[in-house]
Amino acid sequence: AQKITQTQPGMFVQEKEAVTLDCTYDTSDPSYGLFWYKQPSSGEMIFLIYQGSYDQQNATEGRYSLNFQKARKSANLVISASQLGDSAMYFCAMRSDNYGQNFVFGPGTRLSVLP
Amino acid sequence: EAQVTQNPRYLITVTGKKLTVTCSQNMNHEYMSWYRQDPGLGLRQIYYSMNVEVTDKGDVPEGYKVSRKEKRNFPLILESPSPNQTSLYFCASSFRGRLAGNNEQFFGPGTRLTVL
Repeated sequence: AQKITQTQPGMFVQEKEAVTLDCTYDTSDPSYGLFWYKQPSSGEMIFLIYQGSYDQQNATEGRYSLNFQKARKSANLVISASQLGDSAMYFCAMRSDNYGQNFVFGPGTRLSVLP
Repeated sequence: EAQVTQNPRYLITVTGKKLTVTCSQNMNHEYMSWYRQDPGLGLRQIYYSMNVEVTDKGDVPEGYKVSRKEKRNFPLILESPSPNQTSLYFCASSFRGRLAGNNEQFFGPGTRLTVL
């Protein structure tokens, strides 16, 4: 079975500081993709970043980077220079080539950026 | 504009009254999916579709039906809604491609359903 674990229900960070949101995953498939989504209070789901299991380098997208440690099965999201607009729920998700078509999400982490 | 649309956005209904939530995408995506979001549980997949006339169960399919008669549409049907189906529902779509590839899912705005 596939599973995503996010152990931080809530996080606080000071504006302009960096923050790391934890994500660990469990899968027996060798080929999979890891995704991070942001859900602001307005409710929409916004795609942030993707990491493939065979990618050699950690993914980066602007202020977002993914700290991918395959042996530890972790895919932590790092947000640099936090902004007030980063306050939101953040979901880690996984999709694999072999495990049917399921796209599995973690329970989410609520990030609050303090001024 | 590329988008996934859902209707209605908000719905309050009563137990047992059949309802349909529509979902439509204009990106020619093969893959479409329905999720429900509940506090503390994240998003859980209800049903998905790999293409027209091809659908399959996700993790929480009980009490739901879907159909995929056209590529762009993927309605979610609750034949006899119950209070435990009160939730926030999302439709999503993506290109099929290699499943673990960067086939980003595009999400609709969500439908908040309350079943009394």
